Amino acid sequence: GAVVSQHPSRVICKSGTSVKIECRSLDFQATTMFWYRQFPKQSLMLMATSNEGSKATYEQGVEKDKFLINHASLTLSTLTVTSAHPEDSSFYICSASSRATAKETQYFGPGTRLLVL
Amino acid sequence: GENVEQHPSTLSVQEGDSAVIKCTYSDSASNYFPWYKQELGKRPQLIIDIRSNVGEKKDQRIAVTLNKTAKHFSLHITETQPEDSAVYFCAASKYGNKLVFGAGTILRVKS
Repeated sequence: GAVVSQHPSRVICKSGTSVKIECRSLDFQATTMFWYRQFPKQSLMLMATSNEGSKATYEQGVEKDKFLINHASLTLSTLTVTSAHPEDSSFYICSASSRATAKETQYFGPGTRLLVL
Repeated sequence: GENVEQHPSTLSVQEGDSAVIKCTYSDSASNYFPWYKQELGKRPQLIIDIRSNVGEKKDQRIAVTLNKTAKHFSLHITETQPEDSAVYFCAASKYGNKLVFGAGTILRVKS
């Protein structure tokens, strides 16, 4: 149980375009979803926390107008990187937690590798 | 806010030996401490976690200890195997809120 999927797994785009990444909880209802960014050989850095039906809470230094997060249902959250630039190239990983299980436990998706040319 | 420090950054052990990774946290209100294993290009996988009402937890070759007074917790892997080679991250959170991760430890198990 507690499976989280992400789509796409890999995306290459041109500078200035927007990219949408989907995160789905497949077998549980995710009351909270988290979005992380991980640069090579570095740790996971939380970008934002989203609760179903409410606005996301962004970490300091993360531009909310650039990284649009939508958590429209209990099984789906999306991250849209708007007007992507080469410095946005990174590994984006979502995680989900459920009130039905131990709510502290986060289950991670497989990640999306974004390359902006 | 919470700050988590992790040591060492790299650790090489011989197959069969034990490996210990240590983390310290700053917020005494933190009450949940998971450990994740991440292989190259893959998702972090939860390997063990501990809550602040427990001092030690064990699952086969993996154990975690927590010292609330000193605000540090450690991961212990016994009888290491080559497949244990990966990056290990500790993290801390309070009351189901966001996880704050350590910088990670690259574990290499030499056969």
